[in-house]
Amino acid sequence: GNSVTQMEGPVTLSEEAFLTINCTYTATGYPSLFWYVQYPGEGLQLLLKATKADDKGSNKGFEATYRKETTSFHLEKGSVQVSDSAVYFCALLAGGTSYGKLTFGQGTILTVHP
Amino acid sequence: NAGVTQTPKFQVLKTGQSMTLQCAQDMNHEYMSWYRQDPGMGLRLIHYSVGAGITDQGEVPNGYNVSRSTTEDFPLRLLSAAPSQTSVYFCASSLSTGTGLYEQYFGPGTRLTVT
Repeated sequence: GNSVTQMEGPVTLSEEAFLTINCTYTATGYPSLFWYVQYPGEGLQLLLKATKADDKGSNKGFEATYRKETTSFHLEKGSVQVSDSAVYFCALLAGGTSYGKLTFGQGTILTVHP
Repeated sequence: NAGVTQTPKFQVLKTGQSMTLQCAQDMNHEYMSWYRQDPGMGLRLIHYSVGAGITDQGEVPNGYNVSRSTTEDFPLRLLSAAPSQTSVYFCASSLSTGTGLYEQYFGPGTRLTVT
């Protein structure tokens, strides 16, 4: 079956530090990959996405590259801000009849201190 | 547009009680789904619907019922609440256009505690 594994958290950084959150996946076929963010007390918001190998998704200074050879989709940001404190979820959407059924990683809590 | 709305925001139930979590969207999305979020486990799919009158089970459907009589609404029913159903529940919706990629829009969640 499909699965997503994220690096264990929580992650605590100082403002302006470099961020990497690792994500690897297992899926049949050619899934689409996503990063969602959940701010305190809110629902999930799509942060970025990639639909095929070597695609790079980017948004709000965050980036992730779809690496088929390593089945990875690591999230990076060059300089984090306090406002980036949130829970980050990696997810995949397998093709075929499972369209719309997202498979999520366990989430990584990020806390950024001033 | 209000997007995806969920009610209530918080609910406490006793074991054995039943209740319905409400979800509505005003974006004319065909696809709607329910997830539960538990610590350290991410979100898991409970039930989903690809259109009015059509529903199917997700990864963790036991103890929950759904129906989809309109495009806008997708209620989740807990038949006989158990402490294991203590969780945060999210409803999501997206456009359905065949085999393309769809962004899912999530509601704000319902935090349910079963005592």
